[in-house]
Amino acid sequence: QKEVEQNSGPLSVPEGAIASLNCTYSDRGSQSFFWYRQYSGKSPELIMSIYSNGDKEDGRFTAQLNKASQYVSLLIRDSQPSDSATYLCAVRTSGGFKTIFGAGTRLFVKA
Amino acid sequence: DAGITQSPRHKVTETGTPVTLRCHQTENHRYMYWYRQDPGHGLRLIHYSYGVKDTDKGEVSDGYSVSRSKTEDFLLTLESATSSQTSVYFCAISESPQAGAYEQYFGPGTRLTVT
Repeated sequence: QKEVEQNSGPLSVPEGAIASLNCTYSDRGSQSFFWYRQYSGKSPELIMSIYSNGDKEDGRFTAQLNKASQYVSLLIRDSQPSDSATYLCAVRTSGGFKTIFGAGTRLFVKA
Repeated sequence: DAGITQSPRHKVTETGTPVTLRCHQTENHRYMYWYRQDPGHGLRLIHYSYGVKDTDKGEVSDGYSVSRSKTEDFLLTLESATSSQTSVYFCAISESPQAGAYEQYFGPGTRLTVT
């Protein structure tokens, strides 16, 4: 079982729709969770971090965390073609400084 | 963008040769990391540093060594490059996990091809 799992996609949504990206993790003691956006040929860019159960909103982005279900998600409202990228979920595991990255979900926003 | 540069940005080398990649930061962050990114595997940690001369292994450290003689520089060396080390290498930095700063910020990457 992979430590951080994401659906590889591609996930295709029309412009203006809500894109929902999901991630599960195996270490129940994990405390810190991150979403990165990576455009093709570029480096990962941090867009959200979340530490507590519930929702955290930042502009068009909302991160949702459910530690009991070991599940974290990212919602992108009013999706734009410029949101087309690969989204990486990252989880800091318990007991150290290690951050595990998922393989990413490719998102396409169709104009 | 966080003040992180990597050099070279692209390199082609032959099997068996040593290669050194450099990461330079201007943020004075304590922690520095080297990752490789390959299709289907995501980002995998090679080595990390928690201070000058303080380094530790990550999950894919075989065939790699690192050095950090100054806060701002973190070097990754492939001792004898193999084709399996063809990848994109990213450096990342973070302030101090002990202070609750767990976010990592990435450099632009180095694309390495071993022929």
